[in-house]
Amino acid sequence: AAGVIQSPRHLIKEKRETATLKCYPIPRHDTVYWYQQGPGQDPQFLISFYEKMQSDKGSIPDRFSAQQFSDYHSELNMSSLELGDSALYFCASSLGTATGSPLHFGNGTRLTVT
Amino acid sequence: QKEVEQNSGPLSVPEGAIASLNCTYSDRGSQSFFWYRQYSGKSPELIMFIYSNGDKEDGRFTAQLNKASQYVSLLIRDSQPSDSATYLCAVGDAGGTSYGKLTFGQGTILTVHP
Repeated sequence: AAGVIQSPRHLIKEKRETATLKCYPIPRHDTVYWYQQGPGQDPQFLISFYEKMQSDKGSIPDRFSAQQFSDYHSELNMSSLELGDSALYFCASSLGTATGSPLHFGNGTRLTVT
Repeated sequence: QKEVEQNSGPLSVPEGAIASLNCTYSDRGSQSFFWYRQYSGKSPELIMFIYSNGDKEDGRFTAQLNKASQYVSLLIRDSQPSDSATYLCAVGDAGGTSYGKLTFGQGTILTVHP
């Protein structure tokens, strides 16, 4: 079965650079979520989109922005990168936003900021 | 106090035994509850989800929910070494517009030894 596809798998950037992470949800899934997981930490919700509109916002820094496109893929744009941004970034998708629509996670992008 | 708390680990059980993982949550309005398994450096994998009080069984896994006590648990019967992983309890946001906005516990590391 098709899964959530994230690219790139690994990304190394220097401080103050920018990065763009991409997420392709499971076909027919209309909702995308972004999570950040620091070393030894649990995943933290950043932002979500439903039908190309932002549906909820979590602990996403102002330096980050995201959007969902007409084909439902999503991109997370990160600027002025800091060392503390080094983490695993997961995208997840679901069908709709109703209670209990289980999330399916992609394999993640490991961002390292040096 | 963290919104979602899991019993401190690591938890070590012998092969074939029952592993019991516990989780409490603070938001009484929460409606959806999930257990994810995560191998080191990999994405969270959905194991079980439960919305109603009581037990829900799927193969070797049983999720138990008690909303009055704000408690959810996961039992793994006939534990196998391949079950060794970090188990994350996640609770869906009760007040947001996106039920995929999950709050995760800190995770319990389970080790099943032969």
